Amino acid sequence: NAGVMQNPRHLVRRRGQEARLRCSPVKGHSHVYWYRQLPEEGLKFMVYLQKENIIDESGMPKERFSAEFPKEGPSILRIQQVVRGDSAAYFCASSPNPTYNEQFFGPGTRLTVL
Amino acid sequence: AQKITQTQPGMFVQEKEAVTLDCTYDTSDQSYGLFWYKQPSSGEMIFLIYQGSYDEQNATEGRYSLNFQKARKSANLVISASQLGDSAMYFCAMRLPYGNNRLAFGKGNQVVVIP
Repeated sequence: NAGVMQNPRHLVRRRGQEARLRCSPVKGHSHVYWYRQLPEEGLKFMVYLQKENIIDESGMPKERFSAEFPKEGPSILRIQQVVRGDSAAYFCASSPNPTYNEQFFGPGTRLTVL
Repeated sequence: AQKITQTQPGMFVQEKEAVTLDCTYDTSDQSYGLFWYKQPSSGEMIFLIYQGSYDEQNATEGRYSLNFQKARKSANLVISASQLGDSAMYFCAMRLPYGNNRLAFGKGNQVVVIP
């Protein structure tokens, strides 16, 4: 009965490289949310996806960031040409439907940009 | 946009005592949900308790209870009989029904339980 899984747990990248963060939701959950937590801050919504669809990306930076949730496989948050300001913890959460009361969070990926 | 406010400075709590964490929110909607999450030093987000805006009774989950005052737009978390393992950051969050279920978080309250 696995919960939300994220990998890697820690990721170090140099400025200009690409970062790929993976999220496997709870089995049977088809709704995935990505949040970003900057140091000393609360989590901020980035994007909401259902299988093969981006439903709401109002929290995503306009450039360099993209997300997908393919029919098969994990959801991917991709950050191109990372900068130091991208250093943060990135959390994925899943729910079985958009009205379910609880979102189940993964352990997060800590991205450090050197 | 909805706003969640958590302004208390870091708190030190004696083991076995109760602690109240303040959370106020701002929304013009009548239907919404309020959540509390715990984030220990290991970093994961642990769901604690949920309160719906139409729930007439305050939510309780074991040692956690939510003091929901709708007119004042506050949703304070009460932790009874604090334990050393309660040392963590605590985040209040709100969900709007038309916001695709996304959550808006406050900045958190730091709690340290001392023996």
